[in-house]
Amino acid sequence: ILNVEQSPQSLHVQEGDSTNFTCSFPSSNFYALHWYRWETAKSPEALFVMTLNGDEKKKGRISATLNTKEGYSYLYIKGSQPEDSATYLCAHHSSGGSYIPTFGRGTSLIVHP
Amino acid sequence: GAVVSQHPSRVICKSGTSVKIECRSLDFQATTMFWYRQFPKQSLMLMATSNEGSKATYEQGVEKDKFLINHASLTLSTLTVTSAHPEDSSFYICSARGLGRGGEQFFGPGTRLTVL
Repeated sequence: ILNVEQSPQSLHVQEGDSTNFTCSFPSSNFYALHWYRWETAKSPEALFVMTLNGDEKKKGRISATLNTKEGYSYLYIKGSQPEDSATYLCAHHSSGGSYIPTFGRGTSLIVHP
Repeated sequence: GAVVSQHPSRVICKSGTSVKIECRSLDFQATTMFWYRQFPKQSLMLMATSNEGSKATYEQGVEKDKFLINHASLTLSTLTVTSAHPEDSSFYICSARGLGRGGEQFFGPGTRLTVL
């Protein structure tokens, strides 16, 4: 994988459903992976900064895992609520350079009441 | 978390005019600021990286004479779109990062530019 890819591109779920989506990134020269939540008309908000293979981070109903060897991270939302509706972006930082992140296109999540 | 403001949030201008967008870190010193552009249904595309007191580093394909970036202080960076044309219409968003190269970025709310 040469670029940062997120899937699915969009997702519609019902309130109460649990869901997950994927961020794939180049596995070489890994430095860090960031997850952001971007609600409409607001600034992207940092959710997690992940640096170690096997990392698991949790914030309320949202959690994320990291596999640097195979180059992917999963974001999980348990019991989705309408206020979780947003675009979720991941950003990959590689080492050996200026640590400039590369963003995926995002996963647009819509939670229906 | 840290707060980054961006002004204006929306601007409509005539073709040929120049537009300045400001990005401010309100409660921290931003050693590095990033300027992104987003096309519909696309990811954030990095335009340039600016470090306080030095020239901005532009990504390949971004015209530095077209998109002037100034990072004169640790709390302010500006992007000036010179002689704007309709194809420059886009969503521009800045982010700021404090000390620490792998640190999280704090984003402004973005600026919607429409060039008539």
